[in-house]
Amino acid sequence: EIVLTQSPATLSLSPGERATLSCRASQSVSRYLAWFQQKPGQAPRLLIYDASNRATGIPARFSGSGSGTDFTLTISSLEPEDFAVYYCQQRSSWPPLTFGGGTKVEIK
Amino acid sequence: EVQLVESGGGLVQPGGSLRLSCAVSGFTFSNHWMTWVREAPGKGLEWVASIKEDGSDTYYVDSVKGRFIISRDTAKNSLYLEMNTLRGEDTAVYYCARVAEPYSSNQIFDYWGQGTLVTVSS
Repeated sequence: EIVLTQSPATLSLSPGERATLSCRASQSVSRYLAWFQQKPGQAPRLLIYDASNRATGIPARFSGSGSGTDFTLTISSLEPEDFAVYYCQQRSSWPPLTFGGGTKVEIK
Repeated sequence: EVQLVESGGGLVQPGGSLRLSCAVSGFTFSNHWMTWVREAPGKGLEWVASIKEDGSDTYYVDSVKGRFIISRDTAKNSLYLEMNTLRGEDTAVYYCARVAEPYSSNQIFDYWGQGTLVTVSS
């Protein structure tokens, strides 16, 4: 099973600041990594797939990078609606599909 | 508009059974793999099971193998999760989700339902 480790667990930032979230895989997942955003009481929302491809309707301030075992989600300038929990997910080797433990981006 | 609507959650005793449903609309259901993902209280997301577009292949996380069954009914545009021998650790919000690309097992989940809560407690 591929384990995904996200860091930091919590990121405290102000609107307008840049957010950098990390996801590290226990073994290579090539570029088969996705990022989701989840707000309280809502379903996850696909942001990025295959490491760097923005999903339909996702603003350009969200970008993804990385390959192999190290991946980054960057939010270039935080908007008020971006404060949420973010998860990474790998589809390189399954079953099982696995998610990271999440990073909470909170208002400082 | 693509929509996925889960139902069937509720309170069940340990050892009991429950059947979740996911009614879909706005796309050709028979062309897409589908999946169930759960979120336990205060925990992260956990993949539960996936099913091929024609129902011929199914996959499960080890913790539910032999207890849960994923299935689908094209005529009813519905996905199901039959859950048996439920345990406290199965308590979670259960989401159904669609795999983005038709006729592909690529497991990129582009549309999700709002979830249904399953509580396993005596």
